[in-house]
Amino acid sequence: AQSVTQLGSHVSVSEGALVLLRCNYSSSVPPYLFWYVQYPNQGLQLLLKYTTGATLVKGINGFEAEFKKSETSFHLTKPSAHMSDAAEYFCAVSPMNRDDKIIFGKGTRLHILP
Amino acid sequence: DGGITQSPKYLFRKEGQNVTLSCEQNLNHDAMYWYRQDPGQGLRLIYYSQIVNDFQKGDIAEGYSVSREKKESFPLTVTSAQKNPTAFYLCASTPGSGQNSYEQYFGPGTRLTVT
Repeated sequence: AQSVTQLGSHVSVSEGALVLLRCNYSSSVPPYLFWYVQYPNQGLQLLLKYTTGATLVKGINGFEAEFKKSETSFHLTKPSAHMSDAAEYFCAVSPMNRDDKIIFGKGTRLHILP
Repeated sequence: DGGITQSPKYLFRKEGQNVTLSCEQNLNHDAMYWYRQDPGQGLRLIYYSQIVNDFQKGDIAEGYSVSREKKESFPLTVTSAQKNPTAFYLCASTPGSGQNSYEQYFGPGTRLTVT
């Protein structure tokens, strides 16, 4: 069975500071990994995804994430936070064998301090 | 532009009434999904459909029903049996095959309030 754990339901960073949102997963088979962003009262938008190949994945809006198999992690980072980054972020895992469905973490709300 | 539309954006109903939420996609995707979102609980899967005229229950299907008569449409009915229907409902779709079949595309959501 798969699961996703996002550490911290709320994270606050100052504008211009590093953003680090943590995601750990468990999966019995090689996973596909995703980060989605949700602005208030909107749907989810894909930020980036890891399928195969390079473990450092770059996404939209300057975000990137690194797949670390040994740590079962897929943390999301951005070097310099912007006010427009304030949103909720969801990590998700999907198995490559499609026996199970995509599983979402509970989300981390990112607050940007001026 | 291709995408997923959900209507209406906001919906208000009295307790005891059934209500149907619309989800339409023009992405030619095979699979469609309904999620419920409550604060602090992430997304919970209600129903999903991988092909027309077929659908499966998700983790919280009780009190909900769906149909999939057309590839582009996957309406969700919230019945009076659903004990706590007030929530934000999200529809999503994925391509039927290939590596990108795992990537979910989301609609803008419908916020349902039942009083």
